[in-house]
Amino acid sequence: DVKVTQSSRYLVKRTGEKVFLECVQDMDHENMFWYRQDPGLGLRLIYFSYDVKMKEKGDIPEGYSVSREKKERFSLILESASTNQTSMYLCASSWGYSGKRNTEAFFGQGTRLTVV
Amino acid sequence: QQQVKQSPQSLIVQKGGISIINCAYENTAFDYFPWYQQFPGKGPALLIAIRPDVSEKKEGRFTISFNKSAKQFSLHIMDSQPGDSATYFCAASLSATNKLIFGTGTLLAVQP
Repeated sequence: DVKVTQSSRYLVKRTGEKVFLECVQDMDHENMFWYRQDPGLGLRLIYFSYDVKMKEKGDIPEGYSVSREKKERFSLILESASTNQTSMYLCASSWGYSGKRNTEAFFGQGTRLTVV
Repeated sequence: QQQVKQSPQSLIVQKGGISIINCAYENTAFDYFPWYQQFPGKGPALLIAIRPDVSEKKEGRFTISFNKSAKQFSLHIMDSQPGDSATYFCAASLSATNKLIFGTGTLLAVQP
């Protein structure tokens, strides 16, 4: 079974803190994603990585950065957390440039981040 | 700019009824259209997907209808069951990248 593991289920941070959300996948997938889920807004793509050290901005990258130093690990960084970044964060992985037809994205269980 | 628009935002259906969720997309280059199902406390999981070379795909009680000219696709859940109560997301992507763009989600409640 494919497994996408997010390091924390719940996280509470203070305004201005630097926050790291970690995600690890065990399928050797090229693609990894960070989404933010908010009621009524669905899943909004923050950043997308299609290979080690490669990244592409999604729809809402402001206030976030990412790091992918190893293929299996994709980190989301909130440089200076703000209350409007309180949300559910979902990591996902899928095949990419290898051209495999199975394009299913596998999601982690999410990290509910509260910034106070 | 919402590249994939989904409606309705919420839906209540009686057990045994048909649930219908609609999506529309803008980018004609999209060539993969999945639906994901999410239960509370879980990440979304792939339910069913379609490519634009067919107009319909059926898996059990779940059917995707696809209208390429209208740039619309929909999910039909036949004989809806209380266990189908979940949030459903449509999505679209380009096969070359598999970068998924999601709709806003539909909260489905199936009443017994």
